[in-house]
Amino acid sequence: DSGVTQTPKHLITATGQRVTLRCSPRSGDLSVYWYQQSLDQGLQFLIHYYNGEERAKGNILERFSAQQFPDLHSELNLSSLELGDSALYFCASSVGISGVIQETQYFGPGTRLLVL
Amino acid sequence: AQSVTQLDSQVPVFEEAPVELRCNYSSSVSVYLFWYVQYPNQGLQLLLKYLSGSTLVKGINGFEAEFNKSQTSFHLRKPSVHISDTAEYFCAVTRMGGFQKLVFGTGTRLLVSP
Repeated sequence: DSGVTQTPKHLITATGQRVTLRCSPRSGDLSVYWYQQSLDQGLQFLIHYYNGEERAKGNILERFSAQQFPDLHSELNLSSLELGDSALYFCASSVGISGVIQETQYFGPGTRLLVL
Repeated sequence: AQSVTQLDSQVPVFEEAPVELRCNYSSSVSVYLFWYVQYPNQGLQLLLKYLSGSTLVKGINGFEAEFNKSQTSFHLRKPSVHISDTAEYFCAVTRMGGFQKLVFGTGTRLLVSP
């Protein structure tokens, strides 16, 4: 158990809908990363938040957005869903205390999204 | 930018045999290297990492990897595999400096049979 939790584990929805995926980082971790794992694209970085602020964006669609709250949990919002958005969405966390570099990311179990 | 190549999409091996999963990376700057394992229907678990120092790193479950800067490789090895090692293995790289995204390879499926 990495200490990173994600809910829900599975999500089935229809095209055009909007969903929210939730991630709670390990205790004390300030950084949260989101990744998408799909059969055609593999594992791809989406976005990184550090202590509530967006730090980096990867291959994230404009229909997708994320935020990190004061209690450090994060949510990934996916809207106007398409069939191709079906994938496993992972969140990872790492320690991020000012002046301390932490390079290791610990992954949650993922949320499997199926868009029908 | 960084990239990772895992040439073998699938590696079949018999139980108790040795195995090597290959990983090559490309980067114009110094990097950290990782191996993650994904068991069926589960998340990614960190196996081992190379940050600096000794080029031979040992991880969990008897795995080890060797960083070779001249060959830009970070191959994963285990001297004797078990059925329970059947999983997908991902090599990943991140540039030094902290809080950098992980760039993953396409993964290698290790299939261990009796």
